[in-house]
Amino acid sequence: AQTVTQSQPEMSVQEAETVTLSCTYDTSENNYYLFWYKQPPSRQMILVIRQEAYKQQNATENRFSVNFQKAAKSFSLKISDSQLGDTAMYFCALLYFGNEKLTFGTGTRLTIIP
Amino acid sequence: GAVVSQHPSRVICKSGTSVKIECRSLDFQATTMFWYRQFPKQSLMLMATSNEGSKATYEQGVEKDKFLINHASLTLSTLTVTSAHPEDSSFYICSARVPRSETQYFGPGTRLLVL
Repeated sequence: AQTVTQSQPEMSVQEAETVTLSCTYDTSENNYYLFWYKQPPSRQMILVIRQEAYKQQNATENRFSVNFQKAAKSFSLKISDSQLGDTAMYFCALLYFGNEKLTFGTGTRLTIIP
Repeated sequence: GAVVSQHPSRVICKSGTSVKIECRSLDFQATTMFWYRQFPKQSLMLMATSNEGSKATYEQGVEKDKFLINHASLTLSTLTVTSAHPEDSSFYICSARVPRSETQYFGPGTRLLVL
């Protein structure tokens, strides 16, 4: 069985600051994918960033980057220059190769303070 | 990017009636779609995996006779909540997997309220 743990239920940060959301996971598989999804108040799930486990290089998407530590099974999300529109629930998710089901963490509610 | 739509966005119905929710992939063909349920302030719970042209695969504890799923085409999957009761009130979200990709893209969700 695979599990995804997000140990920070809520976080808040001042606008323009940098924030890091943590995610750890447990899987016996070697080939898998990791995702961060964002769910703003509209409740639309939006893909923020994805990482293939076989890639050592950390994924980046504009202000969003990850710190992927495969040995430690850690996949944190860093948001730089945070904006009010970043206020949302953030879910970390795991998908192992050959499976179709996403395993979600419990989420971190991030609030950006003006 | 891949776009998934859902209709309706919200629905209110009387107890005992059936409600159909549609999920469409707008700019790609999705051989696999997924249906989730989300309770307030909780994560997404997978209900079933829907494959085009075949029967859906339901997660343990999900009543297949209550939540009917049909994936009639490569761009459309439907979830029908039959004989809905107040405890079925929830937020239902669909997603679709882009072919040859491991990424799922999500619809905007449907809020169901059963009175």
